[in-house]
Amino acid sequence: DQQVKQNSPSLSVQEGRISILNCDYTNSMFDYFLWYKKYPAEGPTFLISISSIKDKNEDGRFTVFLNKSAKHLSLHIVPSQPGDSAVYFCAGGSGTYKYIFGTGTRLKVLA
Amino acid sequence: DVKVTQSSRYLVKRTGEKVFLECVQDMDHENMFWYRQDPGLGLRLIYFSYDVKMKEKGDIPEGYSVSREKKERFSLILESASTNQTSMYLCASSFGLGDPLKYEQYFGPGTRLTVT
Repeated sequence: DQQVKQNSPSLSVQEGRISILNCDYTNSMFDYFLWYKKYPAEGPTFLISISSIKDKNEDGRFTVFLNKSAKHLSLHIVPSQPGDSAVYFCAGGSGTYKYIFGTGTRLKVLA
Repeated sequence: DVKVTQSSRYLVKRTGEKVFLECVQDMDHENMFWYRQDPGLGLRLIYFSYDVKMKEKGDIPEGYSVSREKKERFSLILESASTNQTSMYLCASSFGLGDPLKYEQYFGPGTRLTVT
């Protein structure tokens, strides 16, 4: 059973526009969520996090929104840049060090 | 800068061979993890360790074992490699105490293992 789902395997966006990556989860015990970015031939790198006591967290061009009632979170990248082209993973955790990762969304930002 | 290193970037092994994948972190992290990444399946946790000599099974431990004799080193062992273990293997580490949002995991560059 996939506890964290990223239903869009890929997304293409024009440079300068907004990229919206979505993530759904089924485990109501999840209290913390992380987003990672992964370039080919590299390990994932941490991007941004959010706690369930918040509905929004912002860091520069990256904003994560959390809708607990819908068990849904999204990552917004504004403006999108070609260097943002990568695979993005969301992950959910329940107050321990163990996170469950989604299947990833490949973002392509077109110049 | 946190550094997680993995012993090999690419590895080719034959079916039935015993395979060792090594991971070393330099941040004094309590937790260490082994994942495999496959297309369409994302990152799946194989094993993790929260202390020296301590380990717990992840979601897909079958066919794997681990060893953590020192805090900075976590090894993944494929006892008898099979073709369905061809994958990208990623090691990660994190702090073990405090704010869970600080449990972000730092990943190594990965080892692409091919079993023929």
